[in-house]
Amino acid sequence: DTAVSQTPKYLVTQMGNDKSIKCEQNLGHDTMYWYKQDSKKFLKIMFSYNNKELIINETVPNRFSPKSPDKAHLNLHINSLELGDSAVYFCASSQDSTASGGAVGETQYFGPGTRLLVL
Amino acid sequence: LAKTTQPISMDSYEGQEVNITCSHNNIATNDYITWYQQFPSQGPRFIIQGYKTKVTNEVASLFIPADRKSSTLSLPRVSLSDTAVYYCLVGEWGRDDKIIFGKGTRLHILP
Repeated sequence: DTAVSQTPKYLVTQMGNDKSIKCEQNLGHDTMYWYKQDSKKFLKIMFSYNNKELIINETVPNRFSPKSPDKAHLNLHINSLELGDSAVYFCASSQDSTASGGAVGETQYFGPGTRLLVL
Repeated sequence: LAKTTQPISMDSYEGQEVNITCSHNNIATNDYITWYQQFPSQGPRFIIQGYKTKVTNEVASLFIPADRKSSTLSLPRVSLSDTAVYYCLVGEWGRDDKIIFGKGTRLHILP
């Protein structure tokens, strides 16, 4: 009965490679998110997306791109991986958007995270 | 993942100390208690984490009684910029299959 799932759980790759992380939610939510968690446990939002708009954090390099084949999926593509991309990436979803002026306090359901290590 | 219960909202004034309590009756032995702060259009920001007794950092203090069934986040001398939603989370990132941020506590600081 997993609500938000991510694959893979661990990803080890070389610098310069292109990789993707998949995310699926079975909650029927309208909005999905990608977060990057740094070593200090700070969750930095990278993208939020629903069928109406994509909100991109302007500090995210354009090597990162979200792809949404349908409402239940939001995949994260990363091109030309760099050492600094090593982190844990979390996918999340909510019924309504907490970004772009949406109501903060909406319950967000997070996936288990993908640990990316770039060598 | 242990369920948590927090007040939906709180109001306070600048310069006051604010205490937000979270109940987590089903906390497991290995669970840590973590508090996050979130502003609109931003992701949750880590504030403090503890296991038992008292933890203090440059931002806040966290009080955890011996039975660990509750915890209290203490924000000293709040300012208007502390107006945000505060989430109590029990569990461990990376260990639990599900991490759920509930409604949180909406803290409104008045001048």
